[in-house]
Amino acid sequence: QPQLQESGPGLVKPPETLSLTCSVSGDSISRSTYFWGWIRQPPGKGLEWIGSIYYTGSTYYNPSLESRVTISIDTSNNQFSLDLSSVTAADTAVYYCARSWVVVTARGYFDLWGRGTRVTVSS
Amino acid sequence: DIQMTQSPSSLSASIGDRVTITCQASRDIRNYLNWYQQTPGKAPKLLIYAASTLETGVPSRFSGRGSGTDFTLTISSLEPEDIATYYCQQYDRVPITFGQGTRVEIK
Repeated sequence: QPQLQESGPGLVKPPETLSLTCSVSGDSISRSTYFWGWIRQPPGKGLEWIGSIYYTGSTYYNPSLESRVTISIDTSNNQFSLDLSSVTAADTAVYYCARSWVVVTARGYFDLWGRGTRVTVSS
Repeated sequence: DIQMTQSPSSLSASIGDRVTITCQASRDIRNYLNWYQQTPGKAPKLLIYAASTLETGVPSRFSGRGSGTDFTLTISSLEPEDIATYYCQQYDRVPITFGQGTRVEIK
């Protein structure tokens, strides 16, 4: 049964960099049928797509965050990562990693999600 | 960005009721529309993709319709376990965007 698991610090000080990793088990991150994405949800609010990465390393970012976001992939360890720089309190959220079937370039439907990790930005 | 607007923002219904949630896109997104269900403290769960295709394992009381700019999610007979927030999501254009969510409660 494929699973995703987020890991990383639960507390980040502004204006440091938030770094999270998503470990994929039960499936290969190198399958050409999938993109791998990050989505976040501030407390009590809706879902925001951060960006996605293909196994080749091609990345697609939300323009609203693009200047601060880097998503990378490590196919040898079957994991991908998120770095979000210069964080503020507005970046406090639950961060989810998710698997997306490729329907069109970089986009599709997220059919498998991690449980999410809560990150608080506070000094 | 493509704006996704859901209505209503919340609704209260009785067990067994037919429930319909609408999602409107700010431009034509063909059928590139997904629906998710999120219960408190849990990750979203895919219900329907490509506007009308039921994800494997999702009960048949859930259905989706629409294309272009107007879409609906219908629960034919509300069950207690359907209490959740529902989100639509478009994937026609980057950035991928979600609706603001519709909270479904029991009357």
